[in-house]
Amino acid sequence: NAGVMQNPRHLVRRRGQEARLRCSPMKGHSHVYWYRQLPEEGLKFMVYLQKENIIDESGMPKERFSAEFPKEGPSILRIQQVVRGDSAAYFCASSPRQADGYTFGSGTRLTVV
Amino acid sequence: KNQVEQSPQSLIILEGKNCTLQCNYTVSPFSNLRWYKQDTGRGPVSLTIMTFSENTKSNGRYTATLDADTKQSSLHITASQLSDSASYICVVSVPSNTGKLIFGQGTTLQVKP
Repeated sequence: NAGVMQNPRHLVRRRGQEARLRCSPMKGHSHVYWYRQLPEEGLKFMVYLQKENIIDESGMPKERFSAEFPKEGPSILRIQQVVRGDSAAYFCASSPRQADGYTFGSGTRLTVV
Repeated sequence: KNQVEQSPQSLIILEGKNCTLQCNYTVSPFSNLRWYKQDTGRGPVSLTIMTFSENTKSNGRYTATLDADTKQSSLHITASQLSDSASYICVVSVPSNTGKLIFGQGTTLQVKP
């Protein structure tokens, strides 16, 4: 079991470009959570998804950010028209049941230049 | 506002010494309180999970305590090792159908030889 896989590990984008962050949950996990960690801050909840459904997106910025978890394939966090303030580490976690057995990936570090 | 505050912000100790990290939370009610270890460039890894009815939980050299009345938790590390150098994060789970976690900002521990 390879654990929660996130890619890329590092991503550099110019202002205005799109960033796509991928998360493959652990085998058997159907719940996926995205968290953002700004420099010198704790992780902040962004969105919680189950297969093909967004359950809670209360932590997502209202514009430019979207997430999906299709029936097949990894969960995708998409940031359109990135700005410098989007620079952060984005962590994905998965669990086999709601709110239980979280496993975190190693994160994607996004740098906007 | 639900918050999790940790102290100290950073700590340096000598190898072999013990240390205690503190966590105060205002989240109410809560499902459980967790301590995570986050190595530099990695995702958080769970150390202990306690429900409000548990007072203490151990995992090897790590012992967590919880006082639900005063809303305080501590993580005690015994006989520290160089590999204990990391960020230690206190996390509170909110009872809901979304599994949302509220993270503290972490205590950065450096163990020196």
